[in-house]
Amino acid sequence: DGGITQSPKYLFRKEGQNVTLSCEQNLNHDAMYWYRQDPGQGLRLIYYSQIVNDFQKGDIAEGYSVSREKKESFPLTVTSAQKNPTAFYLCASTPGRKTPNEQFFGPGTRLTVL
Amino acid sequence: GENVEQHPSTLSVQEGDSAVIKCTYSDSASNYFPWYKQELGKRPQLIIDIRSNVGEKKDQRIAVTLNKTAKHFSLHITETQPEDSAVYFCAASNRVTGGGNKLTFGTGTQLKVEL
Repeated sequence: DGGITQSPKYLFRKEGQNVTLSCEQNLNHDAMYWYRQDPGQGLRLIYYSQIVNDFQKGDIAEGYSVSREKKESFPLTVTSAQKNPTAFYLCASTPGRKTPNEQFFGPGTRLTVL
Repeated sequence: GENVEQHPSTLSVQEGDSAVIKCTYSDSASNYFPWYKQELGKRPQLIIDIRSNVGEKKDQRIAVTLNKTAKHFSLHITETQPEDSAVYFCAASNRVTGGGNKLTFGTGTQLKVEL
């Protein structure tokens, strides 16, 4: 099933709460990514990490935070500073070689703010 | 940064007809152009990709063409079938120093194949 798992599948949050989305991969990939998907807007990059203990902001990093303490894990925290967090969140990974390669996606987490 | 535009946003074809989706990109340094198919509520899955040193690539009923001069690339699906109905995304990628690649996605095309 692609070797990338995300949990939970559905997540409900009250306004003002931080929530953490899990992403795990067993593909031995170096690089991992978080995208946000809204209807009609495609996928937008939130954060990415090329190696353990290192990560960079993507195009829409405000209100989000990440960590990369282990190669196989790249959790995303949606903080209360994110004004409109309701969306479909997708995690992806790629081998991280010098030549660009396919990004493999997880099944996604649908976050709804109540 | 990179900007990718995709059109049309919706496309309806009769079964057996061809479908063409077009994308343009802005950054001449982009060197990798994947196409993803996403069914409702599911993860995007790669259907074909092309690198900047190639002008055309074909895989059965699917083909992609790349014009680096004009900075546009297109997806061609021939002999469409109902199971081709989905949202299709194009993307452009720059290699990131140190490995990996940043993808910038188009806004998607909803393809509907009618019987």
